[in-house]
Amino acid sequence: KNEVEQSPQNLTAQEGEFITINCSYSVGISALHWLQQHPGGGIVSLFMLSSGKKKHGRLIATINIQEKHSSLHITASHPRDSAVYICAVRSNTGNQFYFGTGTSLTVIP
Amino acid sequence: NAGVTQTPKFQVLKTGQSMTLQCAQDMNHNSMYWYRQDPGMGLRLIYYSASEGTTDKGEVPNGYNVSRLNKREFSLRLESAAPSQTSVYFCASEIGREGGYTFGSGTRLTVV
Repeated sequence: KNEVEQSPQNLTAQEGEFITINCSYSVGISALHWLQQHPGGGIVSLFMLSSGKKKHGRLIATINIQEKHSSLHITASHPRDSAVYICAVRSNTGNQFYFGTGTSLTVIP
Repeated sequence: NAGVTQTPKFQVLKTGQSMTLQCAQDMNHNSMYWYRQDPGMGLRLIYYSASEGTTDKGEVPNGYNVSRLNKREFSLRLESAAPSQTSVYFCASEIGREGGYTFGSGTRLTVV
């Protein structure tokens, strides 16, 4: 079973488009993370959320604890946003993290 | 600050060989983690260390051992490598449950 489900798995967008990536989880959590991984590259933490909404530049992350759902939005997308975006949740019992399988985003110029 | 440093970046091993993956962080973080990443699967926790001197098994610990040498360093050892251990390995650290999460750049390991 997958404690974290992401959609879509793959996404292709034209430069400038507004992008939304969704994450649903089935466990109780203390925090949710959005991570970015460029091809062949390392993993960078974009956001850590426990409630509400956070914004950093063109990226916005929201979480609805009651619905166990989070979204990552990218406004005015750019080819450099092309990467895999991973949703991860920290269980509220113990140190366990659960990771989604990622959403592969390609932004075409 | 270098953040989380992993070595080596690439390694090819023959079945049965041993090796140690090194990880060091310079952010005074308490918790450190070792993950493996395989195609089509999410990151899976191998071992973690909540603080210096403690280690605990994660989801996929078989075939691995770890050492939390001091607060900075957390190493992962493969005693007898198997082809099933071909993967990309990531070390990560965080200062605590409410802190941010920092990953190393990864080690791409191939066992032939």
